[in-house]
Amino acid sequence: GQQVMQIPQYQHVQEGEDFTTYCNSSTTLSNIQWYKQRPGGHPVFLIQLVKSGEVKKQKRLTFQFGEAKKNSSLHITATQTTDVGTYFCAGYDYKLSFGAGTTVTVRA
Amino acid sequence: EAQVTQNPRYLITVTGKKLTVTCSQNMNHEYMSWYRQDPGLGLRQIYYSMNVEVTDKGDVPEGYKVSRKEKRNFPLILESPSPNQTSLYFCASSLGQGGSPLHFGNGTRLTVT
Repeated sequence: GQQVMQIPQYQHVQEGEDFTTYCNSSTTLSNIQWYKQRPGGHPVFLIQLVKSGEVKKQKRLTFQFGEAKKNSSLHITATQTTDVGTYFCAGYDYKLSFGAGTTVTVRA
Repeated sequence: EAQVTQNPRYLITVTGKKLTVTCSQNMNHEYMSWYRQDPGLGLRQIYYSMNVEVTDKGDVPEGYKVSRKEKRNFPLILESPSPNQTSLYFCASSLGQGGSPLHFGNGTRLTVT
């Protein structure tokens, strides 16, 4: 069955630095979604990518969908304390499957 | 305000005592789903519903029941809770078309002793 792997599991970042989290699917996806969960909160939808090679930006966040539609990445530039939380990718082929998430902590 | 409402937020119970976690959405969404979140395992789907009276198992359905008698409500029932069901539970809803984005409730933290 479909599996979505996400790395790294933890990311400790110095404030102001950049980082990237990666998502890989065992199957070709129709779309991929990204969610953010703040500590103590619930997952909140960030963005959906549909097209091969698609790149979307939200302020300091850049989302990319691979050419083969089996992988995706989230790149955050100039990390701020407001970026703390867990970022999940979720890939959809016939069902939506979540990765295990990347938990981000920020050193001020 | 568009939202998914879960109750209760926190629940401590004992093994074997039946419980229900309620979920309601006000967005007229067709699709609703329950997830459990455990450290290192992400969000795992328990059950989902494509519409009224249509439910199906997710990845981890054992020990859970659901019903969808009305479009807005999707309760999660644990007939005989066990300690391995201690977890953080989320209800979510979406338009249900081709993997539409999910709207999540605030979560229910369940402890079974």
